[in-house]
Amino acid sequence: KNQVEQSPQSLIILEGKNCTLQCNYTVSPFSNLRWYKQDTGRGPVSLTIMTFSENTKSNGRYTATLDADTKQSSLHITASQLSDSASYICVVSARSSGGSNYKLTFGKGTLLTVNP
Amino acid sequence: SAVISQKPSRDICQRGTSLTIQCQVDSQVTMMFWYRQQPGQSLTLIATANQGSEATYESGFVIDKFPISRPNLTFSTLTVSNMSPEDSSIYLCSVGVVWRLPPRPDTQYFGPGTRLTVL
Repeated sequence: KNQVEQSPQSLIILEGKNCTLQCNYTVSPFSNLRWYKQDTGRGPVSLTIMTFSENTKSNGRYTATLDADTKQSSLHITASQLSDSASYICVVSARSSGGSNYKLTFGKGTLLTVNP
Repeated sequence: SAVISQKPSRDICQRGTSLTIQCQVDSQVTMMFWYRQQPGQSLTLIATANQGSEATYESGFVIDKFPISRPNLTFSTLTVSNMSPEDSSIYLCSVGVVWRLPPRPDTQYFGPGTRLTVL
């Protein structure tokens, strides 16, 4: 069964500090891994998308890593800001047989709170 | 990118009634999906909205409870029928964009969601 597990479930940090969120997955056949940011009351917004061959991808203060061998990913946030307070969701895509269709498996998310 | 709007943004409904949620996309898209996000849970796919034909439902979701329309490539509706408090959730419309030239990973965009509370 395809699964995506995220840790920690929630995290509180002070503004300006760094943090790292973890994602472990058992999804096959793997197509790509995405990190989304979901502000309270809003829909998820894509931060990064990584394929099998990509180890690291950055988007501003967000850096995602992927280890396809151990099936782990992390999202590192540098110099956190109050606006980073949100839920961060790891989503893994499995390519279905026959081409363009794909299936997404969602993690439950890590709720990050950045305090002043 | 695709810009998605949903109506209503939130609603409070009585048990036994039905609510129709609208999803409008600013461009023509082939793949359109409806998700549910219950409190503290991850997103769960309800169905794929197919243009001009019946939606494809995931296990645990049925057409009688969640009828879906997709009259064209930019619009879809999801109805939550005969609601109960267990239907209280955020309902999200999503579209998938397949990139061909140059080829790159498919991208999925989400609408802002409709927060439904059933009393």
